[in-house]
Amino acid sequence: KQEVTQIPAALSVPEGENLVLNCSFTDSAIYNLQWFRQDPGKGLTSLLLIQSSQREQTSGRLNASLDKSSGRSTLYIAASQPGDSATYLCAVQGGSEKLVFGKGTKLTVNP
Amino acid sequence: GAGVSQSPSNKVTEKGKDVELRCDPISGHTALYWYRQSLGQGLEFLIYFQGNSAPDKSGLPSDRFSAERTGGSVSTLTIQRTQQEDSAVYLCASSLAPASYNEQFFGPGTRLTVL
Repeated sequence: KQEVTQIPAALSVPEGENLVLNCSFTDSAIYNLQWFRQDPGKGLTSLLLIQSSQREQTSGRLNASLDKSSGRSTLYIAASQPGDSATYLCAVQGGSEKLVFGKGTKLTVNP
Repeated sequence: GAGVSQSPSNKVTEKGKDVELRCDPISGHTALYWYRQSLGQGLEFLIYFQGNSAPDKSGLPSDRFSAERTGGSVSTLTIQRTQQEDSAVYLCASSLAPASYNEQFFGPGTRLTVL
């Protein structure tokens, strides 16, 4: 059974800092990995999708990497802003269509 | 174009009542998914539709839960005889096709509170 773990559970940083969020998964037989952002009381916003054959994806200040063999992914946020404050969720898709989610990292960027 | 929409946004019901939650996927998306987000449990898969059929219902927690999809579009999740442990945010997602290459796009969710 696939399990996804995100560390840390919460992170507080000053504005402008670069930061890394971590995601690990137990079964390396995945098709893709997706990073989402969730604001309080809202749904999920897709940030980046990395296919199993890819090593990384970039969008603006965000860069996500994938090391499938070791079961790890990182989300790098450059020059963090208060508007980046949210919960970040990592999810993997394996042999079935469903996504298996981690419990998220709650990020607070202080002005 | 419009994203995934869900209704109602909030639902408060009494224990034992039935509830229906609705999801309108992105137009043209053939795959539709229901997930549940509970405090302390994270996001859990409930059911997946391809067109009007449900190849994977493995996440439905009990036979009180059912879902259908009509016309390859709108889906309804029904919870019968609601219990307090059913309180959660129910999220719907859709994707262009059921494949490993397609992102799942999520709706805003329905917050269900069972008193």
